[in-house]
Amino acid sequence: SQQGEEDPQALSIQEGENATMNCSYKTSINNLQWYRQNSGRGLVHLILIRSNEREKHSGRLRVTLDTSKKSSSLLITASRAADTASYFCARSPSGNTPLVFGKGTRLSVIA
Amino acid sequence: DVKVTQSSRYLVKRTGEKVFLECVQDMDHENMFWYRQDPGLGLRLIYFSYDVKMKEKGDIPEGYSVSREKKERFSLILESASTNQTSMYLCASSLLGGTNEKLFFGSGTQLSVL
Repeated sequence: SQQGEEDPQALSIQEGENATMNCSYKTSINNLQWYRQNSGRGLVHLILIRSNEREKHSGRLRVTLDTSKKSSSLLITASRAADTASYFCARSPSGNTPLVFGKGTRLSVIA
Repeated sequence: DVKVTQSSRYLVKRTGEKVFLECVQDMDHENMFWYRQDPGLGLRLIYFSYDVKMKEKGDIPEGYSVSREKKERFSLILESASTNQTSMYLCASSLLGGTNEKLFFGSGTQLSVL
């Protein structure tokens, strides 16, 4: 199966700035999900956006989905040092097949 | 709080050993998954299961097998461990038929094969 691709691979910003991460994919989807992973730990689900949705918010997180461009973005506003982690997009292909994860974006927020 | 528990946080094994990685979830989830995570490669699916005694191969099943005798437990077995199986192993579960819902992950097992 083909993985999604996150961009950039790594991102370093100052506390208080916004962080934007992008995800592209190649085949149709049921939904797209974003996960966070603190160093050496399991992944934690952040947000799910369905193929018929264009934007979704959760606290300081904003996710957009453009199915025509096969891309999604995750925006973290007013970042904090505690947001330092790796962020993964995962697409749910059409049909009954498991999530396909990208390689992740490593975010560093400097206090 | 929902919970996915992996039996070991760190594990060191010798080449050729048979290795068991255990995963238990307390959420009555139908679906369970095993991924491995390697630097630069992201998460890759090894095996998954939609029901008790059911298993499906993922993208990289070679060298692995699984067992799901009870709904809450999904075991990953390395029949004869090799150094290229040194990796972080992540177990996950999800509710409902199909796999479109969010995954709950365990904390991971960092396996080193020497």
